[in-house]
Amino acid sequence: GAVVSQHPSRVICKSGTSVKIECRSLDFQATTMFWYRQFPKQSLMLMATSNEGSKATYEQGVEKDKFLINHASLTLSTLTVTSAHPEDSSFYICSARKVSYEQYFGPGTRLTVT
Amino acid sequence: QKEVEQDPGPLSVPEGAIVSLNCTYSNSAFQYFMWYRQYSRKGPELLMYTYSSGNKEDGRFTAQVDKSSKYISLFIRDSQPSDSATYLCAMTSPDSNYQLIWGAGTKLIIKP
Repeated sequence: GAVVSQHPSRVICKSGTSVKIECRSLDFQATTMFWYRQFPKQSLMLMATSNEGSKATYEQGVEKDKFLINHASLTLSTLTVTSAHPEDSSFYICSARKVSYEQYFGPGTRLTVT
Repeated sequence: QKEVEQDPGPLSVPEGAIVSLNCTYSNSAFQYFMWYRQYSRKGPELLMYTYSSGNKEDGRFTAQVDKSSKYISLFIRDSQPSDSATYLCAMTSPDSNYQLIWGAGTKLIIKP
């Protein structure tokens, strides 16, 4: 297997503030990382694909100016939720691609916007 | 019609039973088939992956792919309460740059 960490695991913020979530591949290098969002009792929804050293590719309907993604190194990608609103409250999960078809997931970050 | 169909359950079985989880799909281009296990409020954990058709066994888990029927299965033998989780199938192909296409996930409950 492979280990992916995510920090923080839980965060509560006030409406209008920004929150940064970090995703790290601990024992392998990942040129590609992914950010997902998951609502209760639903499957994962891909938000964006993050490639090291280049701009992220966002899925249709995902606001790139609201969900800022940076993939500055082969082991770190960050997701910043800007000007958060209560509707942004969700479970955010990152994954890192080890080989072409293998994705390993972080433990997730539960964001609550009050 | 979704590309990947998976019964969300819940599926409740007694401890020790053999569990069968299934997904069907419509895209014949899929080549890699994965099963993930997700505990509540945790990220998915890759259990098994299979390339093309055939069976693959790992301990109590067996993954089966039938490309002719576009049908994949995960069997769990000697099921334990700790196997209670949501099981998600996912599949991909080089054509889609290996983007994972997910099933809805099946919630499995193993009763002691």
